[in-house]
Amino acid sequence: AQSVTQLGSHVSVSEGALVLLRCNYSSSVPPYLFWYVQYPNQGLQLLLKYTSAATLVKGINGFEAEFKKSETSFHLTKPSAHMSDAAEYFCAVSFTGGGNKLTFGTGTQLKVEL
Amino acid sequence: EAQVTQNPRYLITVTGKKLTVTCSQNMNHEYMSWYRQDPGLGLRQIYYSMNVEVTDKGDVPEGYKVSRKEKRNFPLILESPSPNQTSLYFCASSLSSWPTDTQYFGPGTRLTVL
Repeated sequence: AQSVTQLGSHVSVSEGALVLLRCNYSSSVPPYLFWYVQYPNQGLQLLLKYTSAATLVKGINGFEAEFKKSETSFHLTKPSAHMSDAAEYFCAVSFTGGGNKLTFGTGTQLKVEL
Repeated sequence: EAQVTQNPRYLITVTGKKLTVTCSQNMNHEYMSWYRQDPGLGLRQIYYSMNVEVTDKGDVPEGYKVSRKEKRNFPLILESPSPNQTSLYFCASSLSSWPTDTQYFGPGTRLTVL
């Protein structure tokens, strides 16, 4: 079975500081990995996805993530946090043969402080 | 504007009173899916549909029904709601069931069952 684990349900950073949100996956087959963001009272929006092309994936709003097979990780980073980045972030996995079902992590709430 | 819409956005009901949450997409997507979001559990798939008249269970289908009579609509039916179905519900759609296709999410329906 495929799963993702997000370490840290709450992360707090200062404005301008590095953002690092952790995601580790477990999969018996090659995974496809996604990061979604959820702003208050809104649906989920795709930030970026890994589809086995490049291991370093760049997304919207200055976010990027690197697929590391040896570490089974897909951590999300942004060099400089902005107040508007405050939201909940979800890592998710899918795989060939699983349709387009996404298996989500439990989410990380990002707080950005002045 | 390409979008997934859900109605209602908020609903308070009582145990046993049948209800339907509608979902509609205007992107001609084949794949549609329902998820529920609960604190500390992330999002879990309830049902999905690969095309018109093709539906199947996700991870947590108990107590729910769906139908897909038209490509654009995918209603979620709770025939006898119970308090444990109090949750935030999201409809999503993607071009196909290929696992790398981006899923687009609706704004969510917050359901409270008393």
